[in-house]
Amino acid sequence: QVQLVESGGGVVQPGRSLRLSCAASGFTFSRYRMYWVRQAPGKGLEWVTLISYDGRNIYYGDSVKGRFTISRDNSKNTLYLQMNSLRPEDTAVYFCARDGGDDYNPYFRSWGQGTLVTVSS
Amino acid sequence: SHVLTQPPSVSVAPGKTAKITCGGNNIGSKRVHWYQQRPGQAPVLVIYYDTDRPSGIPERFSGSHSGNTATLTISRVEAGDEADYYCQVWDSRSDQGVFGGGTKLTVL
Repeated sequence: QVQLVESGGGVVQPGRSLRLSCAASGFTFSRYRMYWVRQAPGKGLEWVTLISYDGRNIYYGDSVKGRFTISRDNSKNTLYLQMNSLRPEDTAVYFCARDGGDDYNPYFRSWGQGTLVTVSS
Repeated sequence: SHVLTQPPSVSVAPGKTAKITCGGNNIGSKRVHWYQQRPGQAPVLVIYYDTDRPSGIPERFSGSHSGNTATLTISRVEAGDEADYYCQVWDSRSDQGVFGGGTKLTVL
């Protein structure tokens, strides 16, 4: 079955960097778009970023554009999120999710359990 | 970009029907998806493409979409349905995902 396991979360000071990973298994990773979605403590879900199956097409939410970079290594079945210039408002649980749907109405078919990032001095 | 509006909370007695709405300008042309998130857990897809149900999701969960409002309906509500529910669309003009603010379903 589909399994997504995030790692790399932790406590980091404002302005510093952190890299998250998401190890995928149970499906052909290289065939699917992948996403990061986050959830601040006690708040709702926020879409963060998308990467196409081959890594050629990438999109970001306005709140992270220019600071976060999504990437993937299809040979390792792994998705990454490089987070730079972190701010306290980036504090959240970060979920990776596998794509479902077509190009015009995608949805998040499968989710990992998430990894907590805390930005605090 | 799209803004999706959900009621913050809905309460329902066990065995009754719960309806959670999701409204937004110009979502009439969009397909709406719904997620259930129990406390401390990851979200789970319960409805996609307005009305379709993934395998493993009970038939008690159904979706509808008319004009600028989509509705998630949960029939014969059980205690285990108590969770937060989120609607979601894709904004193809900005290539961004958009979630509603979420609705907390309380089973009385």
